[in-house]
Amino acid sequence: DTAVSQTPKYLVTQMGNDKSIKCEQNLGHDTMYWYKQDSKKFLKIMFSYNNKELIINETVPNRFSPKSPDKAHLNLHINSLELGDSAVYFCASSQGFSWTMGAEHTDTQYFGPGTRLTVL
Amino acid sequence: DQQVKQNSPSLSVQEGRISILNCDYTNSMFDYFLWYKKYPAEGPTFLISISSIKDKNEDGRFTVFLNKSAKHLSLHIVPSQPGDSAVYFCAASVPYGTYKYIFGTGTRLKVLA
Repeated sequence: DTAVSQTPKYLVTQMGNDKSIKCEQNLGHDTMYWYKQDSKKFLKIMFSYNNKELIINETVPNRFSPKSPDKAHLNLHINSLELGDSAVYFCASSQGFSWTMGAEHTDTQYFGPGTRLTVL
Repeated sequence: DQQVKQNSPSLSVQEGRISILNCDYTNSMFDYFLWYKKYPAEGPTFLISISSIKDKNEDGRFTVFLNKSAKHLSLHIVPSQPGDSAVYFCAASVPYGTYKYIFGTGTRLKVLA
């Protein structure tokens, strides 16, 4: 049973196209994330959703739009693809909860296998 | 500004010996630290974590040490096995309403048989 799954695994497309990457988790988690791993292998958060509500939105171009139809799914839509969008995109999920002073933080994120996007 | 740094891009260790991977951070607000292992063409796999209220956590062959005064984190693998060969990422979490992870750039570990 795959805990966090992504489709497609590979995506090759032309500049200017619009594409989507889908993510599903069967862990019963409340929070889901999108990360981008660039050519330098740097893994950086893009978005985070908690119970379908956007809670983290890093400095990402407006061409990227996450959509969460329910808490088990978080899809990533990319419009007008550019060469610099070529990267590996990872979805992740965690139980998630709000920070409380003095409480021990143990929220662990679990990652999907990644989608390698190549823009030509 | 790289808040989480893994200064060694690669490390080679003989099978059976100890592997020590290091990670330094700059933000004193980080309160949870994790190590992930990543094989090629796969997603990062959670390995072990430690809360900032502790200085050591052990799970089988893997031990993570946290030195808050030095803002330093290390992962010890004893004994190292060829299957441990992978890229290891450290991550630190900062409270952000919910939690936000900052990742290091990774260290490629090669365990030689």
